Amino acid sequence: KAGVTQTPRYLIKTRGQQVTLSCSPISGHRSVSWYQQTPGQGLQFLFEYFSETQRNKGNFPGRFSGRQFSNSRSEMNVSTLELGDSALYLCASSTDGVAPKNIQYFGAGTRLSVL
Amino acid sequence: AQSVTQLDSQVPVFEEAPVELRCNYSSSVSVYLFWYVQYPNQGLQLLLKYLSGSTLVKGINGFEAEFNKSQTSFHLRKPSVHISDTAEYFCAVSKSNTGNQFYFGTGTSLTVIP
Repeated sequence: KAGVTQTPRYLIKTRGQQVTLSCSPISGHRSVSWYQQTPGQGLQFLFEYFSETQRNKGNFPGRFSGRQFSNSRSEMNVSTLELGDSALYLCASSTDGVAPKNIQYFGAGTRLSVL
Repeated sequence: AQSVTQLDSQVPVFEEAPVELRCNYSSSVSVYLFWYVQYPNQGLQLLLKYLSGSTLVKGINGFEAEFNKSQTSFHLRKPSVHISDTAEYFCAVSKSNTGNQFYFGTGTSLTVIP
């Protein structure tokens, strides 16, 4: 069974641009969560999608948005990029999304650099 | 609100020596506790989790952790480390039973010295 796939692995953007990151969960998983990982802040929860609906949301500005498609694939969008958005963005998927009994499986991440 | 504190940002230890990575949390309600490991250029992998029951939890790769409610701690231990254990370790908590909102500590970098 294929793991969680995140594309692209690396991205370089400039301030003010927007970016879209993609996450394909493990087959059969319906919950997808997104996290931002930076050296200073560690891992911070962005949001979670389950059956195409945003179910939980962290403390990030509205420039960060996401969506989930009917096949459970998810995209995350960041508009008007700032230097501080440079980070590793991790996606995690789990089965029916009822934490904590279901294990979250993480992808390798997308490393975004904003210049 | 929950917060997770990993008291040591870096822990060097000699091969075959024991190690303890510390984690404390704060929460006004019951929590579920996890330890994840991250190898370079990879995502996070679950080591072990505490949901309920026995406070001593055993995980993969010989790791174990003990939940101490009175001290609000969930320290990770291994009696004898290997070079391959060199990685970043994250403690996480969750209280949600309707989603997957996890709160992570800032991580502990474990370096095993040959």
